[in-house]
Amino acid sequence: DVKVTQSSRYLVKRTGEKVFLECVQDMDHENMFWYRQDPGLGLRLIYFSYDVKMKEKGDIPEGYSVSREKKERFSLILESASTNQTSMYLCASSLGGFTYGYTFGSGTRLTVV
Amino acid sequence: GQNIDQPTEMTATEGAIVQINCTYQTSGFNGLFWYQQHAGEAPTFLSYNVLDGLEEKGRFSSFLSRSKGYSYLLLKELQMKDSASYLCALWGLHSGSARQLTFGSGTQLTVLP
Repeated sequence: DVKVTQSSRYLVKRTGEKVFLECVQDMDHENMFWYRQDPGLGLRLIYFSYDVKMKEKGDIPEGYSVSREKKERFSLILESASTNQTSMYLCASSLGGFTYGYTFGSGTRLTVV
Repeated sequence: GQNIDQPTEMTATEGAIVQINCTYQTSGFNGLFWYQQHAGEAPTFLSYNVLDGLEEKGRFSSFLSRSKGYSYLLLKELQMKDSASYLCALWGLHSGSARQLTFGSGTQLTVLP
């Protein structure tokens, strides 16, 4: 089974801190994605990557950046955390052919205080 | 963003049948996915429609009508464990982004004994 692992299940950070959320997948998937999930708003795409060192902005990239130095790892960076970035963050990966959609990680619930 | 509409909440009784609708205002997409998400967990794949018609997988079926702009997920013989959020997602909604999913905000289904 494809496995997508997010390094932390719960995080509490202070306003202004730099925050790193890590995601690793073990099935050689080309595509990786970062979403945030908020009540009533659903999943919104922050950034995605189709290849190593490649990144594209999603619908809500402001306040975030990403890094993909290796194919299996896709990191989301909050340069200066703010309280409105308190959310559930979900990482996902998929094959290029995309027949079966995404495989999601278990999520990181980030609280910024 | 694109309008993908789902009812926010639904309630049904154990053993019954429930239909969760998803409507959208576009014809330009590659396929439609349904995911199930239990509270605090990652979304998991349920079904995928590319062509119009019904796809059946055990107790779950999904229907797509591109001309009418809607899909539904049909759950039969409801069980308590079916209480979850159900997410509708369109694949390839945006031009030049054939690998992305765009999600609706989800329908929270509660199954009562």
